[in-house]
Amino acid sequence: QTVVTQEPSLTVSPGGTVTLTCASSTGAITSGYYPNWFQQKPGQAPRALIFSTSNRQSWTPARFSGSLLGGKAALTLSGALPEDEADYYCLLYFGGARVFGGGTKLTVL
Amino acid sequence: EVQLIQSGAEVKEPGTTVKISCKGSSYTFTDSYVHWVQQAPGKGLEWMGLVDPENGETTFAENFQDRVTMTADMSTATAYMALNNLRSEDTAIYYCVVSFARGWSWGQGTLVTVSS
Repeated sequence: QTVVTQEPSLTVSPGGTVTLTCASSTGAITSGYYPNWFQQKPGQAPRALIFSTSNRQSWTPARFSGSLLGGKAALTLSGALPEDEADYYCLLYFGGARVFGGGTKLTVL
Repeated sequence: EVQLIQSGAEVKEPGTTVKISCKGSSYTFTDSYVHWVQQAPGKGLEWMGLVDPENGETTFAENFQDRVTMTADMSTATAYMALNNLRSEDTAIYYCVVSFARGWSWGQGTLVTVSS
């Protein structure tokens, strides 16, 4: 069974930059995996941030960016704000099926 | 703005079936996929499967393929997810999520509690 791996937790200082990554047990991630990124705050439904590797949703702040980095999908937050503290999940496409990563708990401290 | 409105919370006994609805608006229903996602208490997101509203074709995750049914009604822009043979581990919030050219949008979630 395919496993998608994210960092369990990361901490970033206010105003700082952090990169979250998403790796697949099948090998290097390419744009063909259509990486998506979602943010979930406590007690709320998730919301989409990035789709198809690097496309921001209309509501996604410009401080969030998506890319491919060293065979992984990456979400970079530049200029972190306290409100960015949340869980972040990636989702990959595997020829029909999709698989979520385990999520990264991001603390802004 | 895309809206997805899901049906209300359910309490079910083990071994029974739950059916959740998800009504979409402000986008073209047939130009999307409708995904269903499970989130158990305190846990991460698990993709269950999807239905293509245009032709009814489905794709399921291995963990759910024996127990889940997903359908879509174009006339009402409503998708449905039924999960049968419920067990306590199915206690979770279930989200419908649409993917389309402009990205993804999530429903508000439906809490399903499985308890005798």
